[in-house]
Amino acid sequence: ELKVEQNPLFLSMQEGKNYTIYCNYSTTSDRLYWYRQDPGKSLESLFVLLSNGAVKQEGRLMASLDTKARLSTLHITAAVHDLSATYFCALADETSGSRLTFGEGTQLTVNP
Amino acid sequence: NAGVTQTPKFQVLKTGQSMTLQCAQDMNHEYMSWYRQDPGMGLRLIHYSVGAGITDQGEVPNGYNVSRSTTEDFPLRLLSAAPSQTSVYFCASSYSWRSRSYTFGSGTRLTVV
Repeated sequence: ELKVEQNPLFLSMQEGKNYTIYCNYSTTSDRLYWYRQDPGKSLESLFVLLSNGAVKQEGRLMASLDTKARLSTLHITAAVHDLSATYFCALADETSGSRLTFGEGTQLTVNP
Repeated sequence: NAGVTQTPKFQVLKTGQSMTLQCAQDMNHEYMSWYRQDPGMGLRLIHYSVGAGITDQGEVPNGYNVSRSTTEDFPLRLLSAAPSQTSVYFCASSYSWRSRSYTFGSGTRLTVV
């Protein structure tokens, strides 16, 4: 059974600082996703990572994947208040009809 | 281009009542799925479908029923609502089960009293 764990679950940071969210998973998968969710809203796709060593960047967010360590990271550079949201990683479980298995989510608050 | 449309957005049910959450997509996506989101638990898969006429159970299927008679629609039925089914429900679709991109609906917030 695929398990996905994120840490930290809660993150409060100051504007301008850097931080990393970690996503560990238990079995192999060929697709790892990062989503953003604002309060009361749906999920917004940020990145999909397909292979070992994949790195993708959009603005102040950069995601990477290490399939050997079964670890993905979401790095936040020079945080701004607009990045406050909950971030989820999710993996496609090929053995179960390609369903997405989600981590618990990291609630990020960026303070002025 | 509507994407994935969920109705209703909010619903309050009494214990024991039944209802259907609607999900429709206009992107000709083969793969559709239902998730529930509870605080601190991420999203969990209820049921999914890889095409019209084909459905299967996800991680938390008990108390829910689905059917897929058309490509566009994937309704989720609560047979006899229980307070434990209070949650936010999301429908998601993708072009195929191997797709790299999923589109999520805006969600249905359900409260069972």
